[in-house]
Amino acid sequence: GESVGLHLPTLSVQEGDNSIINCAYSNSASDYFIWYKQESGKGPQFIIDIRSNMDKRQGQRVTVLLNKTVKHLSLQIAATQPGDSAVYFCAENRGRDDKIIFGKGTRLHILP
Amino acid sequence: KAGVTQTPRYLIKTRGQQVTLSCSPISGHRSVSWYQQTPGQGLQFLFEYFSETQRNKGNFPGRFSGRQFSNSRSEMNVSTLELGDSALYLCASSLDHTNEGKLFFGSGTQLSVL
Repeated sequence: GESVGLHLPTLSVQEGDNSIINCAYSNSASDYFIWYKQESGKGPQFIIDIRSNMDKRQGQRVTVLLNKTVKHLSLQIAATQPGDSAVYFCAENRGRDDKIIFGKGTRLHILP
Repeated sequence: KAGVTQTPRYLIKTRGQQVTLSCSPISGHRSVSWYQQTPGQGLQFLFEYFSETQRNKGNFPGRFSGRQFSNSRSEMNVSTLELGDSALYLCASSLDHTNEGKLFFGSGTQLSVL
């Protein structure tokens, strides 16, 4: 099936440290990117989005960086907390057919 | 405001049977998308409905079908179930077309095919 790429399936981070989750996408025509968080037993939940005319966007404790030159997207979580334990998905909208395509996800483990 | 509601939460079926899953979007949302989630393939797009019309379709066989009603509620149907259809089926709603906004997901229907 279709999917955006994924750099690392599992990431372990010390509580209080910053987390960086990476994602690669393949379609240079994609113009809208989203990060989702999925906790156990729940559906994905929107975290933050960014359009292709921006290279950085900040939310509460989260920052998304977009590098269109190398087609790379990252999610930075500041001061990681136990409640940040989840699987994180990047997703892209490929514009042409308007589907939102998800990457395979990164599982974030918080170490005490 | 109530979130996206999917029923049933769990389903067990046998090969060859068919199944219908239901999704009630957030009030006022007109777009409903369906995804299949498995450990190996992640989230795979099935289809999107907007104003009772299928707007997009993923790369799934014709055994997978869906529809949307005038109140935006949606159902998806899988006929002639196969073992590989075992997955979490997620429904997501958005205010308008998916490329304009965020998707709000339900908790999914966990389908097990024996």
